[in-house]
Amino acid sequence: EVQLVESGGDLVQPGGSLRLSCAASGLTVSDNYMSWVRQAPGKGLEWVATIYAGGSKFYVDSVKGRFTISRDKSKNTLYLQMNTMRPEDTAVYYCARDGPVTMAIDYWGQGTQVTV
Amino acid sequence: QSALTQPPSASGSPGQSITISCTGTSSDVGGYNYVSWYQQHPGKAPKLMIFEVSKRPSGVPDRFSGSKSGNTASLTVSGLQPEDEADYYCSSYAGSNNVFGTGTKVTVL
Repeated sequence: EVQLVESGGDLVQPGGSLRLSCAASGLTVSDNYMSWVRQAPGKGLEWVATIYAGGSKFYVDSVKGRFTISRDKSKNTLYLQMNTMRPEDTAVYYCARDGPVTMAIDYWGQGTQVTV
Repeated sequence: QSALTQPPSASGSPGQSITISCTGTSSDVGGYNYVSWYQQHPGKAPKLMIFEVSKRPSGVPDRFSGSKSGNTASLTVSGLQPEDEADYYCSSYAGSNNVFGTGTKVTVL
């Protein structure tokens, strides 16, 4: 069974930094396309970043230069380093697995709350 | 990277059918057959309902179906059930990124 468990969400001041973690079981993070998706309070879903199995990384324009997606093969964990944070970054952040063939998110974590 | 456009709300009585539209551009919906649909109940993580425009993951009832014409994709829920009341989001691959729709709140009357 695949499980994605996020952690690291917190209250942070504008301009501050935070690192989110996503511990995976039942799948190998480095062999998969992995993403972060966020949802602001009362708002819709917003794709934030994706890292491909080959290592390529992609970001939504609003976080380019501020957020970095990465992974640790030995810990089977996905990360999102968030710097120079803004109030508009306030959201629940979901860790997710993209099916590499389907380009659809088939596994989601439970989410972690980030408040700026 | 503009969000795909969905109607804010849709409703129907149990047993009826509803269709939700999802309009994008030739750079996303119209350019790829990688449209997916997600169901989200309050306080829960989204759930994949449709992928690659019209395919259903294992376990998703066949009451849910998807289609696409040009830059607009659609999700149809036939034989509405009370448990179908939720928010629905479309999503499309758009080259090196993904984009979600604005979301539609479905109410079962």
